[in-house]
Amino acid sequence: GENVEQHPSTLSVQEGDSAVIKCTYSDSASNYFPWYKQELGKRPQLIIDIRSNVGEKKDQRIAVTLNKTAKHFSLHITETQPEDSAVYFCAGWSGSARQLTFGSGTQLTVLP
Amino acid sequence: NAGVTQTPKFRILKIGQSMTLQCTQDMNHNYMYWYRQDPGMGLKLIYYSVGAGITDKGEVPNGYNVSRSTTEDFPLRLELAAPSQTSVYFCAGGQGNTGELFFGEGSRLTVL
Repeated sequence: GENVEQHPSTLSVQEGDSAVIKCTYSDSASNYFPWYKQELGKRPQLIIDIRSNVGEKKDQRIAVTLNKTAKHFSLHITETQPEDSAVYFCAGWSGSARQLTFGSGTQLTVLP
Repeated sequence: NAGVTQTPKFRILKIGQSMTLQCTQDMNHNYMYWYRQDPGMGLKLIYYSVGAGITDKGEVPNGYNVSRSTTEDFPLRLELAAPSQTSVYFCAGGQGNTGELFFGEGSRLTVL
């Protein structure tokens, strides 16, 4: 089955700096890669996603890049703000397995 | 639309007791999932269903059972609760062909 690895597990940045979180996946059949943000005590919320036929996608301060050949994808957050502090999860969707497999999460802390 | 609704939000069980976590959705999702999230950890798939009458095991199914008699409802049954089942349980739904999942608010279960 799919295996998604996520790094780093914790990340601290100064407010206004950029943050980058990286994930790798194992199943070459995976074709959809969402990123979820989870605030303390809350449910995971989808913040951005990318499909395998696209190399990059942006939404305001958030961007995701995908390298299908290397089987890795990354989340980029620019001009970080304190409200960006949360746990971020990457995931890979395999249509054949009909499952979304999550990475282990990254605790992002934005220091004021 | 209410989206994905889980009940109860909190529950304390004694070892050996049984209970059912309820999950219902009004978004006409054909795919539904149950994940558990241990403190400071990622999401692990317990069971999933791709349609009424169809259920499959995920990564950590032992100690749980599910049913999917209707498209809207996907209850998770815990038999003989154990301390290792102390966790936050998330139900999620999706259309399946896209991979995008919508999560319920979660159910925090403590087994003492």
